Amino acid sequence: KQEVTQIPAALSVPEGENLVLNCSFTDSAIYNLQWFRQDPGKGLTSLLLIQSSQREQTSGRLNASLDKSSGRSTLYIAASQPGDSATYLCAAPGGGSNYKLTFGKGTLLTVNP
Amino acid sequence: GAGVSQSPSNKVTEKGKDVELRCDPISGHTALYWYRQSLGQGLEFLIYFQGNSAPDKSGLPSDRFSAERTGGSVSTLTIQRTQQEDSAVYLCASSAQGSLSPLHFGNGTRLTVT
Repeated sequence: KQEVTQIPAALSVPEGENLVLNCSFTDSAIYNLQWFRQDPGKGLTSLLLIQSSQREQTSGRLNASLDKSSGRSTLYIAASQPGDSATYLCAAPGGGSNYKLTFGKGTLLTVNP
Repeated sequence: GAGVSQSPSNKVTEKGKDVELRCDPISGHTALYWYRQSLGQGLEFLIYFQGNSAPDKSGLPSDRFSAERTGGSVSTLTIQRTQQEDSAVYLCASSAQGSLSPLHFGNGTRLTVT
């Protein structure tokens, strides 16, 4: 069974700061890992999908890394902005399934102006 | 449409009533998921449809829950004899290739059972 843990549960930073969100997973036999953001009252928006053959994936100010051997992924946000305030979730398949995603409980990020 | 559409956005029902939740996936997406999000519980997998294959219903919490997907497109999640513990946000997602491609989520249906 795949288990996904995200640390910290909440993070508050001043605008402009660089930050790292952490995700760990127990079953390393994964095809990929996805990062999402969720705004209050909304669904999830896909940010980055890292294939198991990749170590990093970048989109604008976001950079996600994947280390399968250690069961860890990080999401790096550069030059944070108030609009980045949201809950960030990571998700990975596993536990014998290549389509059933297990989600972490998320990190609630607040970027203060 | 441009994204995944779910209806209704909010549903309040009395305990014991049946409810139907609808999901319109992105056109051409063969994979469709239902997840449930409860306060403090995270996202819980309910069911997965892929093309014409038999769905994976392993996440449905009880036999009061059922789902179907007609014509490989629209999906309906039905909850019979609703209970208060069914109160949650029900999220639908679609993707082009299961979890091999990004999941696109709808805004969810917030179900409140009174």
